[in-house]
Amino acid sequence: QKEVEQDPGPLSVPEGAIVSLNCTYSNSAFQYFMWYRQYSRKGPELLMYTYSSGNKEDGRFTAQVDKSSKYISLFIRDSQPSDSATYLCAMTPGYSSASKIIFGSGTRLSIRP
Amino acid sequence: DAGVIQSPRHEVTEMGQEVTLRCKPISGHDYLFWYRQTMMRGLELLIYFNNNVPIDDSGMPEDRFSAKMPNASFSTLKIQPSEPRDSAVYFCASSLVGPGASEQYFGPGTRLTVT
Repeated sequence: QKEVEQDPGPLSVPEGAIVSLNCTYSNSAFQYFMWYRQYSRKGPELLMYTYSSGNKEDGRFTAQVDKSSKYISLFIRDSQPSDSATYLCAMTPGYSSASKIIFGSGTRLSIRP
Repeated sequence: DAGVIQSPRHEVTEMGQEVTLRCKPISGHDYLFWYRQTMMRGLELLIYFNNNVPIDDSGMPEDRFSAKMPNASFSTLKIQPSEPRDSAVYFCASSLVGPGASEQYFGPGTRLTVT
């Protein structure tokens, strides 16, 4: 079993819809949770970062962490065609030199105009 | 800053040939990471450096892979001999703080095809 599981999609929704992307994980030591966005033929870029459980909002994006269920989500409101990309969840136990970031395999998202 | 720079952007080579991928990290970043991305395995960390010193190479697939960082502004990932299963996109990333830090800045990647 992988440490981080993510549905690869693809997920296709109409413009303006609310998008929900999810990951589950098995390592209870994970404390820091991230979402990276990767456009086609580009490197990943950090989109959202949260620590421990709870919600974090940034514009149209909301990251949610439920440590009790080992489940994280990214919500995109009023989705735009420019949101079409692959979204990778990522997590790590902490900031120490031994704490590597583990990435999910990514969900490919397409927003239809 | 120009961001993380990688070269070449595309590489097509025949099985058995040596392949060298290059990376210039963001100036001032103390950590450099090499990742490999495939559809089957996703994004995998191969090796990372701190202040030019290799810290963890446990992700390097086998002895055919080697990485060096001769100075703070340059790193190479070498595959010798290359095999078709090495076909993937290889990313270099850099950060100010350790591998657990959230802010890793990725380069555009090198798309490697081994025939």
